[in-house]
Amino acid sequence: GAVVSQHPSRVICKSGTSVKIECRSLDFQATTMFWYRQFPKQSLMLMATSNEGSKATYEQGVEKDKFLINHASLTLSTLTVTSAHPEDSSFYICSAPDRGGGNTEAFFGQGTRLTVV
Amino acid sequence: AQTVTQSQPEMSVQEAETVTLSCTYDTSESDYYLFWYKQPPSRQMILVIRQEAYKQQNATENRFSVNFQKAAKSFSLKISDSQLGDAAMYFCAYTTYNAGNMLTFGGGTRLMVKP
Repeated sequence: GAVVSQHPSRVICKSGTSVKIECRSLDFQATTMFWYRQFPKQSLMLMATSNEGSKATYEQGVEKDKFLINHASLTLSTLTVTSAHPEDSSFYICSAPDRGGGNTEAFFGQGTRLTVV
Repeated sequence: AQTVTQSQPEMSVQEAETVTLSCTYDTSESDYYLFWYKQPPSRQMILVIRQEAYKQQNATENRFSVNFQKAAKSFSLKISDSQLGDAAMYFCAYTTYNAGNMLTFGGGTRLMVKP
């Protein structure tokens, strides 16, 4: 199947700093990518939809200015957590759909565990 | 809005036995896709099985099969001959083609496999 690479896998940052997470589709192009957040022992909650060449679409309750999304190319989307606070500590996962061959499937990155101290 | 519900927070099964995980969903769409994802301790999301709503035949993948009841909006996962490696979180998920694979997830079921 298609491969989605997410980096870094783990990051610890100080409160007030910014952290950038990258999500790359390695062997297919993705005009759309999705960013999810997962709290411990909970499910994945959609944060935003990243669209290549246009603004991201954020889910209700997600702060646009805190979670900056940039879909720089057909293979790269980035999520920047700005002015991070301990409550932003979580597991962030990106996914990208591959619609090649008429099949639709979402492929996931490995996830990023963010710890804000 | 679409919702996905997994009513079993935890399930336990003896190795080599069969276990069924439940999932119900709510939608007004007629054409959609349903998935079961496995999330092991590594937290990598792994697709277990998928079902297109227009297909009446239940999907199967080796030891994994589903019981898709469209009228009841039910989508359960059966794991046969359970193995220790099956221990993980299992998420039921829903999407439509127009949603571009934006997934709505259920709350998850933690499956424990006893040796």
